[in-house]
Amino acid sequence: EVVLTQSPAVLSLSPGERATLSCRASHTLAKNALAWYQQIPGQAPRLLIYDGSSRATDIPDRFSGSGSGTDFSLTISRLEPEDFAVYYCQQYGVPWAVSPLTFGGGTKIEIK
Amino acid sequence: QVQLVQSGPEVKQPGSSLKVSCKASGSSGSGSTYHWVRQTPGQGLEYLGRFINVPVSAPKFQDRVTVTADRSTNTAYLELRSLTSDDTAVYYCTYSVHLWFFDFWGQGTLVTVSS
Repeated sequence: EVVLTQSPAVLSLSPGERATLSCRASHTLAKNALAWYQQIPGQAPRLLIYDGSSRATDIPDRFSGSGSGTDFSLTISRLEPEDFAVYYCQQYGVPWAVSPLTFGGGTKIEIK
Repeated sequence: QVQLVQSGPEVKQPGSSLKVSCKASGSSGSGSTYHWVRQTPGQGLEYLGRFINVPVSAPKFQDRVTVTADRSTNTAYLELRSLTSDDTAVYYCTYSVHLWFFDFWGQGTLVTVSS
């Protein structure tokens, strides 16, 4: 199955700073088929980005996604207090016979 | 907007079965897809299966998971059999407008497997 490796595991930043999160796939993902989710403790994940770079409904434009093939990034241009959370990537870019849908292990953004 | 309301927390005995329900409101109807995902401290987020027009389970859970949906009531169901302590997790139903990623999430159902 497709393994997604997220780095770093923990990112210590201050409000107002820029955050860049990485997600690397073990297989090439067709059509940039990668999504990003945000999870605040005690809540369900929330869709932020799909198809590598498309923002979901009502997601602020400080969130942006980029990348292709096996290397993808999520950037938060200026961290707001509510952005300190855990972020997961999820792939849907290979045939089902190769791999089910899979998630990365997450990156936690904590307040420095 | 779609809202998903899941059934409540459960405590189960090892070897037993689990059935979690998920009722959708504000859904667009027959073109949508229900997926199930679980979250454990050890394994993180794991994909269990989906229901579009037919049920499909992830290979790891193929023998133990059945996903179904009743479109007349906009309700999805997850059944997981032969429970072990490793199945202790929060189980989420999700609703996909775009098929393969998860636009909306239920609140989660905590399942504890313990004797």
